[in-house]
Order: sequence, then C-alpha cells, then structure tokens
Amino acid sequence: DAKTTQPNSMESNEEEPVHLPCNHSTISGTDYIHWYRQLPSQGPEYVIHGLTSNVNNRMASLAIAEDRKSSTLILHRATLRDAAVYYCILRDLYNQGGKLIFGQGTELSVKP
Amino acid sequence: DAGVTQSPTHLIKTRGQQVTLRCSPISGHKSVSWYQQVLGQGPQFIFQYYEKEERGRGNFPDRFSARQFPNYSSELNVNALLLGDSALYLCASSRWTSGGLGTQYFGPGTRLLVL
Repeated sequence: DAKTTQPNSMESNEEEPVHLPCNHSTISGTDYIHWYRQLPSQGPEYVIHGLTSNVNNRMASLAIAEDRKSSTLILHRATLRDAAVYYCILRDLYNQGGKLIFGQGTELSVKP
Repeated sequence: DAGVTQSPTHLIKTRGQQVTLRCSPISGHKSVSWYQQVLGQGPQFIFQYYEKEERGRGNFPDRFSARQFPNYSSELNVNALLLGDSALYLCASSRWTSGGLGTQYFGPGTRLLVL
C-alpha cells in the first residue's frame, strides 16, 4: 500500500489561510488523494479528493503537484471549528476495494 | 437524510466477554466498512461489506467477525475480549458509483472499554 507522510502537528491563527502538506512519493497512477478530518469526539469527515488536477469545494482546496508525489490541503480562512486531525489518504478504488488506510495525520490547532 | 448511525454510543465489558456493535448506513448506501481506532492513532480497517458479502478484511484476529443484513445494516462482533480491544469502533457507509466505491461517510462511533 502506498504511504503518505504528514507533519504531526501544525498551528494556525484564526481567519488566516492554512496549508497542510502531504508527501506520497510512491503514489501509483490509479491512486486518488483523499483528505479526511476528525474533529474531537467525532468520526472522520470527508473533506476533498483529487487525482491530478487541483480541486475546490466549499470546505477546502486541494493542490496536487505536477508529479503527484505531494499535495497540499488549503483551508482559506481557518476557524476555531477547523481544529481537528487531518488525514491524507491514498485510495485505489479498483485494487483495494475502497478501504481507507489512515496514517497518524496532522493535528491542526487554531488560535483565536 | 440521516447520517450513519451506530449503537450503542458507549459500552463497558470485561475480559473474555463478547460484544456486538451495530451500524445503520445512509439510505441508499449498500456498502459498510468497519474501523478500529485506538487512542492516539488513526483508524485501522477491519472489514468491508457490499451487498451483504464480505469484500475486504484487515489484519485482525478471527475473534472479529461481521455481517450485513438485507436492509444493509451491519453488525460487528468481537469474541473473547482483550484489554487491547478497548477502542473507538467506527462504521462508514458508501455507495457504488461508476468509478468504484464512493466517498465513505463515517458514523460517530462506539467507544468500547474492556476492563
């Protein structure tokens, strides 16, 4: 299974942009890059996913490097409610049955 | 629409006992997956079911078993509980799309404490 590497923790100030990096140097051509987050005392929550092109949705943006060996989740204006553990996950829909392989994730704290 | 629901929310058992956890997927979702999350770690995949058949199994002992019912709800059973089984057990549901298994939506989990 392809692995991802994320910083253990990051800090941000409220209302500032946050860039959460993820390295996945062994990514295969059929791996989608998924981001989930887990707020305290809750189950993981889907944030965004992409394959090659940058993606935007109401929660965040995903910037994918041209060689696909790294990606960055961008929260445009962090709020206190964005404090969570963010997981970057590679998911091969066709060869892994869709299971999610979670790493340690990045714990994001947001200061007022 | 209601999200994924799990019951019970909390559970305390003693070593050697058996436990059954329940999950109801989002309406229209035919796939259910189970994950175990030990404190301080990311969730670990246990099982995946689609259309009532097991489609994937993680690296867990045979004490762990699951099944999916005709209404697509699911149960996770753990026999001969050990202290190390204390964890948050998460259920996720998804639908099958033309591109494969879709986004997984997680329930709030069942927190199991084994004494």
